[in-house]
Amino acid sequence: GESVGLHLPTLSVQEGDNSIINCAYSNSASDYFIWYKQESGKGPQFIIDIRSNMDKRQGQRVTVLLNKTVKHLSLQIAATQPGDSAVYFCAENGQETSGSRLTFGEGTQLTVNP
Amino acid sequence: DADVTQTPRNRITKTGKRIMLECSQTKGHDRMYWYRQDPGLGLRLIYYSFDVKDINKGEISDGYSVSRQAQAKFSLSLESAIPNQTALYFCATSDPNYNEQFFGPGTRLTVL
Repeated sequence: GESVGLHLPTLSVQEGDNSIINCAYSNSASDYFIWYKQESGKGPQFIIDIRSNMDKRQGQRVTVLLNKTVKHLSLQIAATQPGDSAVYFCAENGQETSGSRLTFGEGTQLTVNP
Repeated sequence: DADVTQTPRNRITKTGKRIMLECSQTKGHDRMYWYRQDPGLGLRLIYYSFDVKDINKGEISDGYSVSRQAQAKFSLSLESAIPNQTALYFCATSDPNYNEQFFGPGTRLTVL
């Protein structure tokens, strides 16, 4: 069935390095993708999103890249800080648009070493 | 104050008991969702509601029921709790015009 998944369950980086978290999706009809950050003991928080008519979108220290040809999504975090340590989830909206159901990937645990 | 609140935050119960988890939001969103999170897994959708009169099953609705008492309130019930329903439960809301969902802090439920 359709699914959203992540390549690596864990990622460990040094403080100050750039981090790249990857996500593969299988529903070619998805036109909206979103990244969430979940810190321990908290609910997921929005980081950045991107629509399928874009290849790249930048936020503050974060960039999301979308490659529709290979159905791949990545989150890049520049100058990673200890406060970035969390689980990161990608999600897609499937065939629906606008305030719709989201399908989440399994998550990647990012650990930032001082 | 938090925009999406959940009560209780932690609950330990026994097999066979009826449990209700509550969610309230002050964001004025029409759409509300209940998710379950297990260790090493992503969020899985249990039920969702696009307005007060609308209730829809998600991918793992068996053993759960919901009630949308008002635009701001969406409760999740476990009629007869079983140990494999031990998990983190999250409520979320969204505006119909946007895809982003806003999550509550979660309820940690343990069924013994």
